[in-house]
Amino acid sequence: GEDVEQSLFLSVREGDSSVINCTYTDSSSTYLYWYKQEPGAGLQLLTYIFSNMDMKQDQRLTVLLNKKDKHLSLRIADTQTGDSAIYFCAERYSGGYQKVTFGIGTKLQVIP
Amino acid sequence: GAVVSQHPSWVICKSGTSVKIECRSLDFQATTMFWYRQFPKQSLMLMATSNEGSKATYEQGVEKDKFLINHASLTLSTLTVTSAHPEDSSFYICSASGLAETDTQYFGPGTRLTVL
Repeated sequence: GEDVEQSLFLSVREGDSSVINCTYTDSSSTYLYWYKQEPGAGLQLLTYIFSNMDMKQDQRLTVLLNKKDKHLSLRIADTQTGDSAIYFCAERYSGGYQKVTFGIGTKLQVIP
Repeated sequence: GAVVSQHPSWVICKSGTSVKIECRSLDFQATTMFWYRQFPKQSLMLMATSNEGSKATYEQGVEKDKFLINHASLTLSTLTVTSAHPEDSSFYICSASGLAETDTQYFGPGTRLTVL
């Protein structure tokens, strides 16, 4: 079955880059997503990448995909205190109709 | 674009009562809506997937008679927690997809349910 794993916690200083890592097991994944969740709120889609891409950049966000190793990362440049949140990695696989599997989430703490 | 709302934001109810949560896609037609449940410090657990005009597909272990889902239109889905008990207390989040580009799920802000 499909499984998505992430580290639980990451702490960085304001202005530094943050890199949040994720591994997944389903090689037939079609899309991979990064969502951000602030306390008491729903999930905000940050970015997504097609499985046939290696990299996607969107302003301060860079997504790297290593399909061979089933490894996905999210890099946040010039991390700000407003970036403090929980970041979920998610994969959508081809085996189920639009079903998306989420990782447990990585809590990012930005230290001023 | 791609805004999803939920109502109410939070609700407190007595054990044994039923609670209805609404999920609306405000600026697009959602062919598919999803209902998730999130426990503190945990990831999202998919409860069910619903397509407009048809019965919802429930995930294994989710009681369909307890969690009633209705997806009557392309912009509205409702989740009714029937005969709620304290163990049903949780954060319920809906998502909707239907934009042609990627069928990405767009999430509502969530509903905090507390059952006393």
